[in-house]
Amino acid sequence: EAGVAQSPRYKIIEKRQSVAFWCNPISGHATLYWYQQILGQGPKLLIQFQNNGVVDDSQLPKDRFSAERLKGVDSTLKIQPAKLEDSAVYLCASSSSFSGGVTDTQYFGPGTRLTVL
Amino acid sequence: SQQGEEDPQALSIQEGENATMNCSYKTSINNLQWYRQNSGRGLVHLILIRSNEREKHSGRLRVTLDTSKKSSSLLITASRAADTASYFCATESGSYQLTFGKGTKLSVIP
Repeated sequence: EAGVAQSPRYKIIEKRQSVAFWCNPISGHATLYWYQQILGQGPKLLIQFQNNGVVDDSQLPKDRFSAERLKGVDSTLKIQPAKLEDSAVYLCASSSSFSGGVTDTQYFGPGTRLTVL
Repeated sequence: SQQGEEDPQALSIQEGENATMNCSYKTSINNLQWYRQNSGRGLVHLILIRSNEREKHSGRLRVTLDTSKKSSSLLITASRAADTASYFCATESGSYQLTFGKGTKLSVIP
């Protein structure tokens, strides 16, 4: 079974530029998550999708971050314009169901390391 | 915000020794999970313990959960150099969302 794919693996940009990250979840996984992991900290949830709908984006800085999941499969996360404090690893994860009473394991991709200069 | 807090922040042991990491959290949970992150790689799920469970084993891993103290521990027995990684506890309190702690950095010296 193929894992969660992310690209690019590394990105260096200057502040005020824009950047986009791509995620392809495990086939058949309905739920997709984007996390931000700043150096020395644990991942922080940015947004959660169920199929192509947003379940929770309460921690997404909507003035500069946007995310979409077209057709309920691939997802893109965009930052525009980037700030220095956006330097972090952006992780995508997916899980197989969103049904009551069952908690599914989240499978993580390798992440995209973003450096904002 | 961080829900779990791991202790210690860093741990260095010799190969073959046991490693114990602790996690404390603040609010009630449905389950608690432990993840491992190798340098430069994504997170790998290790084990999940539900709020009505007290202990769980998986291979060389043993996890305990004390909901009255809002704490959990992860024990890795007979550690190997390949266990060198950062270990995170994550709590799930609803909507299948995980809240991670800051992690414990484990170094196993051959």
